[in-house]
Amino acid sequence: NAGVMQNPRHLVRRRGQEARLRCSPMKGHSHVYWYRQLPEEGLKFMVYLQKENIIDESGMPKERFSAEFPKEGPSILRIQQVVRGDSAAYFCASSPSAGPNEQYFGPGTRLTVT
Amino acid sequence: SQQGEEDPQALSIQEGENATMNCSYKTSINNLQWYRQNSGRGLVHLILIRSNEREKHSGRLRVTLDTSKKSSSLLITASRAADTASYFCAPGTAAGNKLTFGGGTRVLVKP
Repeated sequence: NAGVMQNPRHLVRRRGQEARLRCSPMKGHSHVYWYRQLPEEGLKFMVYLQKENIIDESGMPKERFSAEFPKEGPSILRIQQVVRGDSAAYFCASSPSAGPNEQYFGPGTRLTVT
Repeated sequence: SQQGEEDPQALSIQEGENATMNCSYKTSINNLQWYRQNSGRGLVHLILIRSNEREKHSGRLRVTLDTSKKSSSLLITASRAADTASYFCAPGTAAGNKLTFGGGTRVLVKP
């Protein structure tokens, strides 16, 4: 059973470009979470999605950031018009059910904005 | 969910020694989880302790929970160089889904 997959692992974008980060949850998991980690800090929650629904986006910046988890295919975190401050590691996690349960994390995507 | 605060921020020990770190939180919880993050990688779940449990073991890990003091501790016994990592706690409330992490405890195990 493959773990949570994220791609790309590393992404370099110039200021103003768009970044698209993908996450495939573990098989059988329909709950996906996105977290962002700045250097030397803990992970900060961004958004929680179930298939075709955004359940909690309280951690998402109001502008330029969006997330989706379509019926088919991976979850996508999209950052439009990236700025240097968006440089971070973005982690995706999945779980088989709702609630404060164990989450399984992917290896992360390291975004560098130049 | 609510945020846990880990203490100390950093810990340096010799291989074979025990490492203890603590987590404090503010409100009632349903459970509390501990995760490990090796440098630059995703988090790995270590252990989940429920609010009605006081102690739990998993291999060389021992977790305690004191709900009256709103605190938990993680003990790693007979540490190894491979235990070098950051450790995070995540208190969980019944209604919560997201995990909220503090700054973690950075553990360095010297050979």
